[in-house]
Amino acid sequence: DIQMTQSPSSLSASVGDRVTITCRASQGIRNDLGWYQQKPGKAPKRLIYAASSLQSGVTSRFSGSGSGTEFTLTISTLQPEDFATYYCLQHNSYPYTFGQGTKLEIK
Amino acid sequence: QVQLQQWGAGLLKASETLSLTCAVYGGSFSGYSWSWIRQPPGKGLEWIGEINHGGITNYNPSLKSRVSISVDTSKNQFSLILRSVAAADTAVYYCARAFSSFDYWGQGTLVTISS
Repeated sequence: DIQMTQSPSSLSASVGDRVTITCRASQGIRNDLGWYQQKPGKAPKRLIYAASSLQSGVTSRFSGSGSGTEFTLTISTLQPEDFATYYCLQHNSYPYTFGQGTKLEIK
Repeated sequence: QVQLQQWGAGLLKASETLSLTCAVYGGSFSGYSWSWIRQPPGKGLEWIGEINHGGITNYNPSLKSRVSISVDTSKNQFSLILRSVAAADTAVYYCARAFSSFDYWGQGTLVTISS
């Protein structure tokens, strides 16, 4: 299985901050990576696909980059609605695997 | 507008069989793969398996011996069977469409396994 190591596991930040979350794959996955936002009691929502493509309807505050084994999700200017848990997902090889999640909290 | 609506029993006893169904409304059913994903309370996401419109399946090896996913193309539905459930199978189960990762998700079904 491909292991997805996501960091940090939790992050405290303020409205207006710029934050970066990282996912490292245990082997190369090209750009077969998505980023998801999940709020309590809700299904995950896709933000980024193919590592760097912004999902239609998602604010451009979110951006993704990377290829191979190292990927980042950046939120340029945190808004109150951005406080949530974020997951990466690799869909290069079976079984598909998620990072363990990053909980973004208000400082 | 694609919508996934899922349903199934929410409370089971240990050793019973979990059964969930997901219906797809809007958009095309063929040409995509359809997955099940689960999330234990307070924990992360685990991919269970997928099926395409032709019935080809792929399963997570950690669950493969107990899982079956089937498709009914006449109804635009796909289903999950998980046999011999235990307390560790307590989770919110989601269905999702695979298109360069998962773009559309069902609302989730909390399945609780009691001993």
